[in-house]
Amino acid sequence: DIVMTQSPDSLAVSLGERATINCKSSQSIVHSSNNKNSLSWFQQKPGQPPKVLIYWASTRESGVPDRFSGSGSGTDFTLTISSLQAEDVAVYYCQQYSNLPRTFGQGTRVEIK
Amino acid sequence: QVQLVQSGAEVKKPGASVKVSCKTSGYTFSVYYMHWVRQAPGQGLEWMGWIHPNSGATNYAPNFQGRVTLTRDTSTNTVYMELNRLKSDDAAVYYCVRENWYFDFWGRGTLVTVSS
Repeated sequence: DIVMTQSPDSLAVSLGERATINCKSSQSIVHSSNNKNSLSWFQQKPGQPPKVLIYWASTRESGVPDRFSGSGSGTDFTLTISSLQAEDVAVYYCQQYSNLPRTFGQGTRVEIK
Repeated sequence: QVQLVQSGAEVKKPGASVKVSCKTSGYTFSVYYMHWVRQAPGQGLEWMGWIHPNSGATNYAPNFQGRVTLTRDTSTNTVYMELNRLKSDDAAVYYCVRENWYFDFWGRGTLVTVSS
């Protein structure tokens, strides 16, 4: 199984400041069919299902604010929130979809400092 | 618009089975894999398996092999997840999730409580 490891486990950032979450996969997650990095980022708020923010490591889902961006390739990936807003308080997960079983990082809790 | 409507909360005793439904609408049911993911209280996300609605083919996570069964009803565009021999640590919110290369739509989740 591909192990996804996020860092840090939690993060406190001032409003308007940058938040950065890292995700490392235990092996390459390049999709065999299109050579793209098969990495998604999700945001989950209490009592809600996860919501996809980023897929193919760097493609923003329709409707997601442009302060959210994804980067990285191979085994190291990053989610950046360029200017943290109050509504961004949530738990963030990375997930690989190149292999079965699909696996998630353990989550990173983002709070306001 | 794509909708995944899950069945309501369940309370089960240890050793019992639970069957959760996920009724879909707003897209061509037969085209997209449907996955199930669960989340224990205060914990992370755990993948359980997928079903291809067209063929009925399934693939299960090793942790659930032999205890979980995914099925579908193409006449109602509904997928089902049945988990047998429930244990206390099966208490969780269970989500159905559509995969369009990536997980793009999630149901709202079904809370399963396991208690004697």
